[in-house]
Amino acid sequence: SQQGEEDPQALSIQEGENATMNCSYKTSINNLQWYRQNSGRGLVHLILIRSNEREKHSGRLRVTLDTSKKSSSLLITASRAADTASYFCATDFGPGGYNKLIFGAGTRLAVHP
Amino acid sequence: EPEVTQTPSHQVTQMGQEVILRCVPISNHLYFYWYRQILGQKVEFLVSFYNNEISEKSEIFDDQFSVERPDGSNFTLKIRSTKLEDSAMYFCATLLAGAVNTGELFFGEGSRLTVL
Repeated sequence: SQQGEEDPQALSIQEGENATMNCSYKTSINNLQWYRQNSGRGLVHLILIRSNEREKHSGRLRVTLDTSKKSSSLLITASRAADTASYFCATDFGPGGYNKLIFGAGTRLAVHP
Repeated sequence: EPEVTQTPSHQVTQMGQEVILRCVPISNHLYFYWYRQILGQKVEFLVSFYNNEISEKSEIFDDQFSVERPDGSNFTLKIRSTKLEDSAMYFCATLLAGAVNTGELFFGEGSRLTVL
C-alpha cells in the first residue's frame, strides 16, 4: 500500500531536547506533509515538502526528504511541553490526486517539563 | 484565522439510523474532503469533492455513504444506515482553489460518531 509509516511510535523527552520523528513511504509522491494532532482534536498542518525539495525549515521545525530512500524526518528543536501531541506524516502521490492524503500511524510525542 | 467548522461535535446514534455530519468550509476553498479516524488508528481518506461532484473515493466510502453541498455552503456527509464499525472521528478538510497537489489541507475539529 501507499501508507506512510512513522517511527518511533512513541517518544518521551525532556523540555529543551530535540525530537526526531521518521516517516517512510512506498511509492513516488508529489509532496509529503506533516500534521500535528492534540488529543481528541483536529489535525493541524505543520509543513509541506515537495518531491523536488530536500530540506525545509519553519520556526523550530526542520523537515528532510530523501526520495531515493522514500523517507522523511521531522525535527523539533528545543522542545516545549506544549509540543506534546501526535505527529503524522501524510503523502500525496496521485497525479491529479486532489490531495488524497495517505496518513501514517503517527508518533506520540510527550515532552516533560 | 479562517477555520473549518464541523457540527455536531459528538453524536450518539443507534445502529441502523441515518446520520448527517456537517461542515462549513473556509470561504473561497473549493476542494472538500472527508477523512475518518477510528480511535487509536490512522486517519483514513474517505472522499474528495470538487465542482459539486465526487473526485475520488476510497473503498471505505461504499453505498451507505454520500456527500453533497446542498446550499453552496455546507458540505455534508451522510451515512444511511450506521453500523457499529462506523464509530469514529470524522474530519472535514478543505483546500484553497489552485492549491491542488501543492497546498495544505485545513481540517476541522472533527465530529465524533458513536454507534450503539
